[in-house]
Amino acid sequence: DTGVSQDPRHKITKRGQNVTFRCDPISEHNRLYWYRQTLGQGPEFLTYFQNEAQLEKSRLLSDRFSAERPKGSFSTLEIQRTEQGDSAMYLCASSLIQREQYFGPGTRLTVT
Amino acid sequence: SQQGEEDPQALSIQEGENATMNCSYKTSINNLQWYRQNSGRGLVHLILIRSNEREKHSGRLRVTLDTSKKSSSLLITASRAADTASYFCATDGVSGNTPLVFGKGTRLSVIA
Repeated sequence: DTGVSQDPRHKITKRGQNVTFRCDPISEHNRLYWYRQTLGQGPEFLTYFQNEAQLEKSRLLSDRFSAERPKGSFSTLEIQRTEQGDSAMYLCASSLIQREQYFGPGTRLTVT
Repeated sequence: SQQGEEDPQALSIQEGENATMNCSYKTSINNLQWYRQNSGRGLVHLILIRSNEREKHSGRLRVTLDTSKKSSSLLITASRAADTASYFCATDGVSGNTPLVFGKGTRLSVIA
């Protein structure tokens, strides 16, 4: 399967712990996006990369969140000092420039 | 904040009927996309319609776009139980280089 993959699929962590998620995009896609989705809502944009450059960050992305795409391929999203409000589905998507985005299955984070 | 607003929020129909969902947005766009999401899963891209297009078809899906009214509709014909899902519209900015902004979605239930 050459779609977008995310790891882990589920993560349960205690408040205050750090977590890191990984996204592997479709190989020829130069753009990679991170979104957060809570129950009953549509995905909300967090940040995106074009190749290895982080081009835009949402105001939702507090200082506790950091994302990287070191070689323009996979990306990681780290949340430091997790809070209960961080509980959500974290979605990754990839695309070619100005083309449709293809989403991964998501990582469901539960902060207890 | 979310730009797209889908209407209705929920829709329940019998198998074989047609389902129509509407989306309104606020600012000029480069393209509008429709996605489907089954419960707890990632989003699946359905169709992309560009701002200079008025109608697009894909199988049982028909999408229209009225840029003067800043609205779009998704029609699913001859619905099946497997069409049960949430449907989201998403828009980008006029440059095409801004992230997608999603609405809250329409939850479609198709009853066999």
